[in-house]
Amino acid sequence: RKEVEQDPGPFNVPEGATVAFNCTYSNSASQSFFWYRQDCRKEPKLLMSVYSSGNEDGRFTAQLNRASQYISLLIRDSKLSDSATYLCAPFGGSQGNLIFGKGTKLSVKP
Amino acid sequence: NAGVMQNPRHLVRRRGQEARLRCSPMKGHSHVYWYRQLPEEGLKFMVYLQKENIIDESGMPKERFSAEFPKEGPSILRIQQVVRGDSAAYFCASSPVTETGELFFGEGSRLTVL
Repeated sequence: RKEVEQDPGPFNVPEGATVAFNCTYSNSASQSFFWYRQDCRKEPKLLMSVYSSGNEDGRFTAQLNRASQYISLLIRDSKLSDSATYLCAPFGGSQGNLIFGKGTKLSVKP
Repeated sequence: NAGVMQNPRHLVRRRGQEARLRCSPMKGHSHVYWYRQLPEEGLKFMVYLQKENIIDESGMPKERFSAEFPKEGPSILRIQQVVRGDSAAYFCASSPVTETGELFFGEGSRLTVL
């Protein structure tokens, strides 16, 4: 099983849609979880942190299911500017670094 | 408050030459990470350093690649005798003294090997 798995997409959605991404991880010792956003040919930027069961920030909601070892990211009322690749990254346990999934590509259309 | 600074932003090398990529972490950050991203691929962890120490280099290729983070100056990722497969974007990230898993990335250095 890969350390971090994400559906690569692409997810093509119209403006205003709600879209959800899932991410599964193999290291059960992971303590915290992150969603990063990466625009084409740019650096990743932190979108959300998840330390307990979930986190909400405006249109974005992240949820953690430790028993099943997956985290999700929900985007409501999608904007054109949400078009990007979303990277999942668990952290903790024996590793001191972030291991990233390959990312899920989102394309929001007018 | 400057972010993570990487240079050069773009570097072209011929096969067999050396590439040196530099990274200055954010002010107050003492942890530096290097990641490599091949075209259309995910971010691959390479190495994690603190000042004068390599903490985890499990993602570094065994040959030709080395990294350092000296007491003074930037962190350097060095690739000797580059090959075409080394062409990629190399991202540096830093985090504060207290490890939280929140990384701040530089804009990356894009290496092209001819």
